[in-house]
Amino acid sequence: GAGVSQSPSNKVTEKGKDVELRCDPISGHTALYWYRQSLGQGLEFLIYFQGNSAPDKSGLPSDRFSAERTGGSVSTLTIQRTQQEDSAVYLCASSLGHSVKVETQYFGPGTRLLVL
Amino acid sequence: AQTVTQSQPEMSVQEAETVTLSCTYDTSESDYYLFWYKQPPSRQMILVIRQEAYKQQNATENRFSVNFQKAAKSFSLKISDSQLGDAAMYFCAYRSGGSNYKLTFGKGTLLTVNP
Repeated sequence: GAGVSQSPSNKVTEKGKDVELRCDPISGHTALYWYRQSLGQGLEFLIYFQGNSAPDKSGLPSDRFSAERTGGSVSTLTIQRTQQEDSAVYLCASSLGHSVKVETQYFGPGTRLLVL
Repeated sequence: AQTVTQSQPEMSVQEAETVTLSCTYDTSESDYYLFWYKQPPSRQMILVIRQEAYKQQNATENRFSVNFQKAAKSFSLKISDSQLGDAAMYFCAYRSGGSNYKLTFGKGTLLTVNP
């Protein structure tokens, strides 16, 4: 079956512009995660969605970052007024759902964002 | 908060040889899971192996095995009979067994496989 897909693959934007990054999870997966991979910072958790529950936004670095998940499937990560320090690879992952004791997060190929 | 440390930024191995990647973690929890992910240049993170903390037996997946030392909070990955396709960035990750489901990653080890 299809894996996690993300679009665009690469995005170049100017400082101050807004960007939207999209994630399509594996069909049937109710849990969805966003991570950021920055040079020198490794992978950092951003936000987590589980079904219809309120998302865990504890990893979002500032109020310029937001995410939504429509219909329990596709998710969009929005970065407003982008800054150069937002340049990173944004990875999305999905899993069956945390009701499954041991589960694996499956990752997409990521979106590489470059803010000029 | 949990932390994951990978002390080897880069490692190299000859094809067909064995290499061990180190990972240590810090936690006060007793229920948790540990993972090794591989990230080739394509950027796609691929699960290599996982270990449940309550299991004493070390996990194995074909040429990949772990040495899980719970008391020492150590979780190393051994790759046997290394292949050129094993070249990638390897990340160690921790997940709480409770409701805190996010993965906490180490900074990664870049593995080079020499022919």
